[in-house]
Amino acid sequence: GENVGLHLPTLSVQEGDNSIINCAYSNSASDYFIWYKQESGKGPQFIIDIRSNMDKRQGQRVTVLLNKTVKHLSLQIAATQPGDSAVYFCAENTIGGSYIPTFGRGTSLIVHP
Amino acid sequence: GAGVSQSPSNKVTEKGKDVELRCDPISGHTALYWYRQSLGQGLEFLIYFQGNSAPDKSGLPSDRFSAERTGGSVSTLTIQRTQQEDSAVYLCASSLARGGLAGAVGEQFFGPGTRLTVL
Repeated sequence: GENVGLHLPTLSVQEGDNSIINCAYSNSASDYFIWYKQESGKGPQFIIDIRSNMDKRQGQRVTVLLNKTVKHLSLQIAATQPGDSAVYFCAENTIGGSYIPTFGRGTSLIVHP
Repeated sequence: GAGVSQSPSNKVTEKGKDVELRCDPISGHTALYWYRQSLGQGLEFLIYFQGNSAPDKSGLPSDRFSAERTGGSVSTLTIQRTQQEDSAVYLCASSLARGGLAGAVGEQFFGPGTRLTVL
């Protein structure tokens, strides 16, 4: 049968729509979070980060929301474009702790023109 | 300026052979990481170098895996007696340890990766 473990969660949207990608993190001590974008055949690229003393941070067309109560992180992309199609990873780390971030499994975003 | 570069971009090898993967980090970046990414999976941490400190090897899956970083710059990841399960994309990243973040890792800059296929 199919091994669903090989398939990333996928979000399909139409061009121009807003996209929301979610990430649940596991370590309640984590206080620094980063979102990365990975296009096919390339390494991950930094998008935006947020510290735990903030609930929201905005960049260009992207917003990261942090809910520490439920250990949930989301990335909102406004007016999604075909160039936004990629796999998106969240990463968590602890300030003053290990320098090794923990990466989530990733979500594949597919933008249809 | 130049980003992180990795070579080769693709490597096909036979089971049991040794392979060496190279990473050239961004000049001045004191931290260097190796990750492994299998198809449809996230990033699996392998090893971390920071300046002249002893590397953190806690992610290496077996003693067949080793890595060096010479002169605080270029790094080589070596896999001995390769197995089919070693097939993956091997990613290297470098970063500055940002004092403003009190020790947390800052933005990591990733190379394009080396796709390793073990036949």
